[in-house]
Amino acid sequence: DTGVSQDPRHKITKRGQNVTFRCDPISEHNRLYWYRQTLGQGPEFLTYFQNEAQLEKSRLLSDRFSAERPKGSFSTLEIQRTEQGDSAMYLCASSLGAQGEQYFGPGTRLTVT
Amino acid sequence: GENVEQHPSTLSVQEGDSAVIKCTYSDSASNYFPWYKQELGKGPQLIIDIRSNVGEKKDQRIAVTLNKTAKHFSLHITETQPEDSAVYFCAASMPLIDDKIIFGKGTRLHILP
Repeated sequence: DTGVSQDPRHKITKRGQNVTFRCDPISEHNRLYWYRQTLGQGPEFLTYFQNEAQLEKSRLLSDRFSAERPKGSFSTLEIQRTEQGDSAMYLCASSLGAQGEQYFGPGTRLTVT
Repeated sequence: GENVEQHPSTLSVQEGDSAVIKCTYSDSASNYFPWYKQELGKGPQLIIDIRSNVGEKKDQRIAVTLNKTAKHFSLHITETQPEDSAVYFCAASMPLIDDKIIFGKGTRLHILP
């Protein structure tokens, strides 16, 4: 396995459009996390899944954001009615159980114009 | 909630010299402290971590120290090389209680020739 993968790597969209990102975790990892990173900052937690169950959502995750992991493997993060403030790098990470080590993908850079 | 402070924000060291990055955390329940290296256009890469039952951990040229009483932890890189140039993030979490990782704001390390 080559690690966590994310698609697309870059997305430019106009304000008001919907976007969807995909994350494929390391194959045996049962936990999957989404973080958001803005320029000059560390990643900020958005939400995480254990298998297909979404266990926690940050208050950063407004009603316009929704994440799914329908079969406990890949996950999607959808942003509806994008705003300029949504411009950021969206990072996905995965881990095996709850021992702490989270491995990150390359991220999807979103630019809202 | 947990808050992680990191300094300095920028660090320049001569190639071959040592670099030290320091972090503090606020929640005494945190017991897992990973360090990530992020290169331009890539996701954070886990380089070393330490758990609260250990005071120091070393892996080749990098070492981490943890002072639980003072809630301080540090990253030490010896014999720095050009490829060490990157942004480094410290982080804290409490696996099994709250799985999200709280990151510092990062240190941009420049290795000077």
